Parts: sequence; C-alpha cells; structure tokens
Amino acid sequence: GENVEQHPSTLSVQEGDSAVIKCTYSDSASNYFPWYKQELGKRPQLIIDIRSNVGEKKDQRIAVTLNKTAKHFSLHITETQPEDSAVYFCAASKGWTSYDKVIFGPGTSLSVIP
Amino acid sequence: DVKVTQSSRYLVKRTGEKVFLECVQDMDHENMFWYRQDPGLGLRLIYFSYDVKMKEKGDIPEGYSVSREKKERFSLILESASTNQTSMYLCASSLSSPNQPQHFGDGTRLSIL
Repeated sequence: GENVEQHPSTLSVQEGDSAVIKCTYSDSASNYFPWYKQELGKRPQLIIDIRSNVGEKKDQRIAVTLNKTAKHFSLHITETQPEDSAVYFCAASKGWTSYDKVIFGPGTSLSVIP
Repeated sequence: DVKVTQSSRYLVKRTGEKVFLECVQDMDHENMFWYRQDPGLGLRLIYFSYDVKMKEKGDIPEGYSVSREKKERFSLILESASTNQTSMYLCASSLSSPNQPQHFGDGTRLSIL
C-alpha cells in the first residue's frame, strides 16, 4: 500500500526566513497531494493541495512543488511568521474515486522564532 | 463553514469498558472518517464510511468498530478498551467527489486506565 515519508520531523527557523518540508510517496498511481496545518490544540486544516497535472502551486507565502518522476513533493513557506508555528502534515491519494484513502505523513513540527 | 463536532474533548475510561466516540457534521457530506493521531505516526485511518450504513476498514481497524445509521453521524466504538488505545481520535468529513479536502473535528483525547 501507499507509504508517505516526511522530513524533517522538527524544524526551527528565524522569523522572516524560509521553511521547506519534503515528502516522498511510494505509490506511483497517487495523483492528489494535500497539505494540512495543525496548530497546537486545534484541528488539522487544509492549507494547499496539488494535483499531478501541475508541477507547482502558490498561495501567497506558501507554495508546493511536485516531482512525479522522483515521487516527491515539498511545501515552501517564505517570510515565516510566528503564527506559522504548527505541525504540518503532507498526504497522498490516488484520488480516482471518493473511496481512495488519503495517506498522511508523520508530520513536521515547525517553530518560528521571533 | 463546515462544522464537525466531536462529543467529548477529553475522556477517561477503564480497561475492558465499551467506549463510544461520536461525531456529527452539518454539511451533508457523504464521506466520514475516523483517525487516530499519535506523536511521530501522523494520522492513521481506522475506518471510513462513504454512505449511510456503509463502512470500509482503514489501516488500523483492529479493536474498533463503527456505526453510521444517519448521514450526519459517525460513531467509533471500542468494544473492550485497552491501554494501547490511549490516543487522540480525530473525526473528519468530506464530499464524495474525488480530491476533496477533509474537514476535521477538534479531536477527543481518550485515556484508558
């Protein structure tokens, strides 16, 4: 079955610097890759997603890149702010039907130091 | 805005008890999910349901069962709770079409003593 790995497990950056989180997946049939952010004590929330027909997607300070050949995708956060501190989960899914499971990575705990 | 409500934020039960975790969503979503969240392991799928009375096993269904009698409600049942089921449990829902975001509840932190 699908396996999603995520690195690093923890990441500390200075406010204003960039942060990059990398994920790899095992199932070459996967074609939907969402990212969720979970602030301390709160629910996970979708922040951005990408489908396999595009290589990059941006939304203000966050961007996601996808390399289907290498089976890896990354989250980039620029000009980090203290409110970016959270656990970030990448995920992968075949996305062909609504029955296709979403497999989550183990998470990255990001700390932005003021 | 989608609202997914879990009945309890914190729950303490004893080994061997039958435990019910309830989840209700108000957006008429077809799909509902139960996950378990443990440090360093991410979100692991226990069960999901794509329609009333329909259920599918996830990656870690052992020791759990589910019930979906109404579209808006999805219950997770621990038939005989054990200490290794101490964890954070998250419910989520989504529309039925592919590649839809999942909307999560606040979670239930369950402790089995």
